[in-house]
Order: sequence, then structure tokens, then C-alpha cells
Amino acid sequence: KNQVEQSPQSLIILEGKNCTLQCNYTVSPFSNLRWYKQDTGRGPVSLTIMTFSENTKSNGRYTATLDADTKQSSLHITASQLSDSASYICVVSGWNAGNMLTFGGGTRLMVKP
Amino acid sequence: DADVTQTPRNRITKTGKRIMLECSQTKGHDRMYWYRQDPGLGLRLIYYSFDVKDINKGEISDGYSVSRQAQAKFSLSLESAIPNQTALYFCATSDGEQGYGYTFGSGTRLTVV
Repeated sequence: KNQVEQSPQSLIILEGKNCTLQCNYTVSPFSNLRWYKQDTGRGPVSLTIMTFSENTKSNGRYTATLDADTKQSSLHITASQLSDSASYICVVSGWNAGNMLTFGGGTRLMVKP
Repeated sequence: DADVTQTPRNRITKTGKRIMLECSQTKGHDRMYWYRQDPGLGLRLIYYSFDVKDINKGEISDGYSVSRQAQAKFSLSLESAIPNQTALYFCATSDGEQGYGYTFGSGTRLTVV
């Protein structure tokens, strides 16, 4: 069964600090991996999308990495801001009918002043 | 205006009642999806539609039905609501097989009492 596991489930950091969120997946065959940011009460918004051949992709202070051999990805947030407080969801798409998405449970990040 | 609009944003309904959640999009995408999100769990697919004449069951379709009234409209119905259908519901659209254009609505928070 396709699965996406994220860690930690929750994280509290001080404003200005860096953090790294982890994602492991078993989706096969693999098509692409996305990281989404979900603010409370809102829909997920895409941060990065990486295909098999991409090892890293940045979007401002967000940098995602992908190791397709070990089926692991990470999302690094640099110089955190209060507005980074949200859930971060790892989503994997496989080369199956319709390229359906498998969602991780998310990491809930709280940035404190 | 939002690209994917869901109505209502919040709804409280009683057990046994029929309720419809509506989704409309201005993205021009053919593919539309309904997801359910429960605390700590990844989004789970309820139903999806790749065009107006195409309706497919997702992972958790029992107790739900859908209607694709037009390319831009996709509604989700709970025929007889039950308390364990209390959740956050998201509509999404995508632009094709790679799904890079995945866009989520802001969600409908449904409470069944």
C-alpha cells in the first residue's frame, strides 16, 4: 500500500531559527513529490514539486530535498518567521491511473516570538 | 476571486440529514476531486472526476455521492449524515496527468451532531 510518513508530528521553534521536516514514502512507481503549506482553516498551498531527477528545489526560505533511492525527502525552513506557523504536508504522486496523490499526515509547526 | 470556491465554509447539521457541499472553479481544469481531512491524518480521496461524464470512487466513498454538473462545478452530497462524517472537506482541481496545477479550495468544515 502506498504510504507517506512525516516526522515530527509537531514542532515548536523560536522565530529566526531554522528547522527541517522529514518525509518517507513507499509510493511506487514514483512520479513526483510535493510539499504543501496549510494554514489553519485553509486549503493546502504548493511550496515545491520535485520529479525523480531533481535532488533539491527552493522557494524563498523553503528548500526541499529528495533522495529517490532511499525514498526520503526533507523540507528545510531558514530564518523562520511567525507566518511560517502552519501544517506542512508531504504529498507523493505515483505513475498510476490518474497519478493520484498520497498525502502524509503533516507536521504542525509553531514559530514563537 | 478564488480559483476554487467551496460553499458553505462552515456547516452544522443533524444526524440523518442530507447535505450538499458545492465546489466551483475558474481554473479551466478538467479534473476535480473531493478530499476529507481528519485531525492528524492525511487527506483522503472521496471521489474524483476527470471530465463531465467521468465519475470515480476514491478511497472512502461510502456514504457519499457526487455530481459533476459542468466542467467548473463538482458537488459532494452526504445522503444521510452521521457524526463520524464530521471533518474538513476540500475540493481540488488539476490540469492533467502530471497534476502540477493542483489547486485546493479553502475547505468546508462540516459538523454532524
